Amino acid sequence: GDSVTQMEGPVTLSEEAFLTINCTYTATGYPSLFWYVQYPGEGLQLLLKATKADDKGSNKGFEATYRKETTSFHLEKGSVQVSDSAVYFCALSDLSGGSNYKLTFGKGTLLTVNP
Amino acid sequence: KAGVTQTPRYLIKTRGQQVTLSCSPISGHRSVSWYQQTPGQGLQFLFEYFSETQRNKGNFPGRFSGRQFSNSRSEMNVSTLELGDSALYLCASKRTSGYEQYFGPGTRLTVT
Repeated sequence: GDSVTQMEGPVTLSEEAFLTINCTYTATGYPSLFWYVQYPGEGLQLLLKATKADDKGSNKGFEATYRKETTSFHLEKGSVQVSDSAVYFCALSDLSGGSNYKLTFGKGTLLTVNP
Repeated sequence: KAGVTQTPRYLIKTRGQQVTLSCSPISGHRSVSWYQQTPGQGLQFLFEYFSETQRNKGNFPGRFSGRQFSNSRSEMNVSTLELGDSALYLCASKRTSGYEQYFGPGTRLTVT
């Protein structure tokens, strides 16, 4: 079945540091890939997405590139801020085999950014 | 445009009771999915509804059920509550076309 593996952290960085959170996936078909962010006490917010190989999703300074050859979708940001402190989830949606819109999530990575 | 709304936000129930959670999707979205989030198991898919029909179901016991109404609002019900059902229950909606799911703030269920 489908699965997502991401570095679990926690990750602690100083403000303005470079961020990478690794994510790799296994899917039977050709999935769409997502990064979601969850702030304390809240639901999930879609951060960025990519629907085909070599697509680059970007939003709020975050980027991730869909790499089919390495089955990866690593999240990066050049300069993190204290307000980026949250839990980040990598997820996939595999539409193979018909109407299967369920999201499969990684376990989440807690990011803490210190001033 | 208003986002996904879920009610209630917090619930405390006793073992053996049943509970109903409600979700109103973004206007125009006809697909509604439910997820359970726990510290141990992470985010797990419960089921998805589209046009009042259940299209997909996750690996949960029959105590977990749901339905969708003609206005796309959805409810999920958990009967005979167990301590392990304590979790954040998240609802997400999606347009008919497109891939993105948009989540509500969740309902925090505590079973004592």
